[in-house]
Amino acid sequence: EAAVTQSPRNKVTVTGGNVTLSCRQTNSHNYMYWYRQDTGHGLRLIHYSYGAGNLQIGDVPDGYKATRTTQEDFFLLLELASPSQTSLYFCASSDLGISNERLFFGHGTKLSVL
Amino acid sequence: GQGVEQPAKLMSVEGTFARVNCTYSTSGFNGLSWYQQREGQAPVFLSYVVLDGLKDSGHFSTFLSRSNGYSYLLLTELQIKDSASYLCAVRGGSNYNVLYFGSGTKLTVEP
Repeated sequence: EAAVTQSPRNKVTVTGGNVTLSCRQTNSHNYMYWYRQDTGHGLRLIHYSYGAGNLQIGDVPDGYKATRTTQEDFFLLLELASPSQTSLYFCASSDLGISNERLFFGHGTKLSVL
Repeated sequence: GQGVEQPAKLMSVEGTFARVNCTYSTSGFNGLSWYQQREGQAPVFLSYVVLDGLKDSGHFSTFLSRSNGYSYLLLTELQIKDSASYLCAVRGGSNYNVLYFGSGTKLTVEP
């Protein structure tokens, strides 16, 4: 079974703080994604990547940076965290249409910005 | 734009059935997926449909009508443990490597 691991599981920071969320996949998938999930909004795409060094903008990118350092590792950076970024963040990997039709999700990171 | 709509809540009774609806309006279409998500957990893939009609997967079935931009997930012989949120996700036409999710339908199965 495909594996996606996120760290940390929980994070609390203050307004203006610097936060990095990490994601590693061992599926050899080309695509990796960062979503945020909020009540009433469902899963919203922040950034995604189709390989090391590549970055694509999603639907809600403001206030977020991302970096794909290797095929396995995808990071989400909040350089000046704000309370509006309090959310549940999911990382996912896939090769949609190539080897499967599904996203494989990590267990999520709960971020609170005070 | 990419619009995927689902009702927020649905209630049903153990042993009966529940139909979770999804409507979409996207620029192009390359398939629709359903995911189950339990409280505080990650979404788990259930089904993928790209052709019109009904796809039977045992405990649940999925229906698609591309001309109407409509799908549903039908769960039969409901059990209490089927209580969860069910997410509909559409693969767009211009970027088929991205899924656009609805806000999810929270299903509560009562005894």
